[in-house]
Amino acid sequence: DSGVTQTPKHLITATGQRVTLRCSPRSGDLSVYWYQQSLDQGLQFLIQYYNGEERAKGNILERFSAQQFPDLHSELNLSSLELGDSALYFCASSRLAGKNEQFFGPGTRLTVL
Amino acid sequence: AQTVTQSQPEMSVQEAETVTLSCTYDTSESDYYLFWYKQPPSRQMILVIRQEAYKQQNATENRFSVNFQKAAKSFSLKISDSQLGDAAMYFCAYRSEGNNDMRFGAGTRLTVKP
Repeated sequence: DSGVTQTPKHLITATGQRVTLRCSPRSGDLSVYWYQQSLDQGLQFLIQYYNGEERAKGNILERFSAQQFPDLHSELNLSSLELGDSALYFCASSRLAGKNEQFFGPGTRLTVL
Repeated sequence: AQTVTQSQPEMSVQEAETVTLSCTYDTSESDYYLFWYKQPPSRQMILVIRQEAYKQQNATENRFSVNFQKAAKSFSLKISDSQLGDAAMYFCAYRSEGNNDMRFGAGTRLTVKP
């Protein structure tokens, strides 16, 4: 158990819908990262927040957005969902912005039908 | 842009034997970090080992060790005394000193035969 929690574990929805994925970092970690893992592929970095502020952006679609709240939990919002958005979405956290290793949550499996 | 390449999509090893997983990366930076993550069927990403580029000594964690060749931009993972529980996808990852995101390779699926 890494200490990072993600909800829900599984999510099944239809094309065109909007969903919100939630992540709570390890106690004391200020930085949250979101990754997307499509079937049998490596992880693609989406976005990072540090202490409430956006710090880095990767291959995140305009239909996707995220935020980090004052209690440091983060939410990833996915809208106008397409079949290709079906994937495992991981949240990771680290103590500081860049020097520490990232600890991953168990992931949220999103299926778009 | 930094890229990470894992040239072995699949590997297999006999239980108790040793296996080496390959990873190469491309970067123009001098300060960075390298990681190996394990992803078992549960899909949880588990950190196996990390290496700082400024350290010449290869990292070791129990049965896991790396062969870090900075000039060759190579970072292989050696698993000794392989156990059935080592069966998983293994991902090599790179993070530069200045950036916060990690770049992952495509992964190597390791099978351990009893």
